[in-house]
Amino acid sequence: GAVVSQHPSRVICKSGTSVKIECRSLDFQATTMFWYRQFPKQSLMLMATSNEGSKATYEQGVEKDKFLINHASLTLSTLTVTSAHPEDSSFYICSASHTGSEVYEQYFGPGTRLTVT
Amino acid sequence: DAKTTQPPSMDCAEGRAANLPCNHSTISGNEYVYWYRQIHSQGPQYIIHGLKNNETNEMASLIITEDRKSSTLILPHATLRDTAVYYCIVSGNTGKLIFGQGTTLQVKP
Repeated sequence: GAVVSQHPSRVICKSGTSVKIECRSLDFQATTMFWYRQFPKQSLMLMATSNEGSKATYEQGVEKDKFLINHASLTLSTLTVTSAHPEDSSFYICSASHTGSEVYEQYFGPGTRLTVT
Repeated sequence: DAKTTQPPSMDCAEGRAANLPCNHSTISGNEYVYWYRQIHSQGPQYIIHGLKNNETNEMASLIITEDRKSSTLILPHATLRDTAVYYCIVSGNTGKLIFGQGTTLQVKP
């Protein structure tokens, strides 16, 4: 089945530093990847849609200059949290989907837990 | 994308069928019904999806009403490992999945 990986699985960083999270589709090509964040005891919130070779589309209220997304290849998207602050501490999850058909499922990565101290 | 309404929590006895309802009364003609689940501290897992016909796979069955305003996910023989938050989502061709609060299913021995 389709596998999506994320790296790192956990990261602790100091306030003011930047953190990069990688999302890879291991056995399929994904033109589109999605980034979510999830706070404790809450649901997933879609942050942005990442399209290979073009700029990401951000959801309302998500700062594009703070959450930089790069989708340079059909198997890799990265999310960089710039100048991280404690309120950015969260569970970040990516997903990827096969493309080329009208109906498709999304495959989710295992998530990255970010703690900003 | 249409919104969905699910009960916040449900219990099910191990080995019995778990029937999880979902209301999506504002669903559009081109929107599919998707079900995902999330086990604690993991990424969501795809379960099943459908447009208007009932669907079955190795994990579950999806029953969609004729008017498409509601659906039921059926786990035929629930196990303790099925304890999770189950999300019912309707989505069109944008591919965007907007997660609601889901149903926390607790399978009990």
